[in-house]
Amino acid sequence: AQSVAQPEDQVNVAEGNPLTVKCTYSVSGNPYLFWYVQYPNRGLQFLLKYITGDNLVKGSYGFEAEFNKSQTSFHLKKPSALVSDSALYFCAVKPTGSARQLTFGSGTQLTVLP
Amino acid sequence: EPEVTQTPSHQVTQMGQEVILRCVPISNHLYFYWYRQILGQKVEFLVSFYNNEISEKSEIFDDQFSVERPDGSNFTLKIRSTKLEDSAMYFCASRVMGQGDSPLHFGNGTRLTVT
Repeated sequence: AQSVAQPEDQVNVAEGNPLTVKCTYSVSGNPYLFWYVQYPNRGLQFLLKYITGDNLVKGSYGFEAEFNKSQTSFHLKKPSALVSDSALYFCAVKPTGSARQLTFGSGTQLTVLP
Repeated sequence: EPEVTQTPSHQVTQMGQEVILRCVPISNHLYFYWYRQILGQKVEFLVSFYNNEISEKSEIFDDQFSVERPDGSNFTLKIRSTKLEDSAMYFCASRVMGQGDSPLHFGNGTRLTVT
């Protein structure tokens, strides 16, 4: 069975500082990994994905994530946080080539303080 | 940019009543999904739909739930006899055909409140 762990329910960071939102996963075989963001009263918006190739993937709004196979991690990062980045962030995984649905983590609430 | 639309945005119903949640996926997408999010909890998969049939469903998706694509554009989720614990945000999502690496596009959700 596939699973995702986001160990931090809440992450607070000052505006302008780098941010990291952590994610680890468990899946049979190679993973497809995704990050989504959810603003209040909205659906989930796709940020970025890792399929294959370069371990560092870049996505929307200046976010990036690093795939680490040995640590089974896919942490979301941004060099300089903005107040507008405050939102709920979800990591998700599915096995490569599988028709199975995405499994989401429990979410991490990011608050960027001005 | 095309988007997934869901109606209504908020539905209040009494326990035991039937509800139908409606979704219009992005027009060239072929895979359709329903997820739900109970307040403050994780996003949970309910069902996936492709080629006019269910391709996968979770243990949450019991006999009280059904999905339909009645007219080639709408994708509906029906809950036959609602329970208090069905109160949640229900999200519809769609994606293009592919190897599963294409991202899901989510609607803004329907907040279902069962009283």
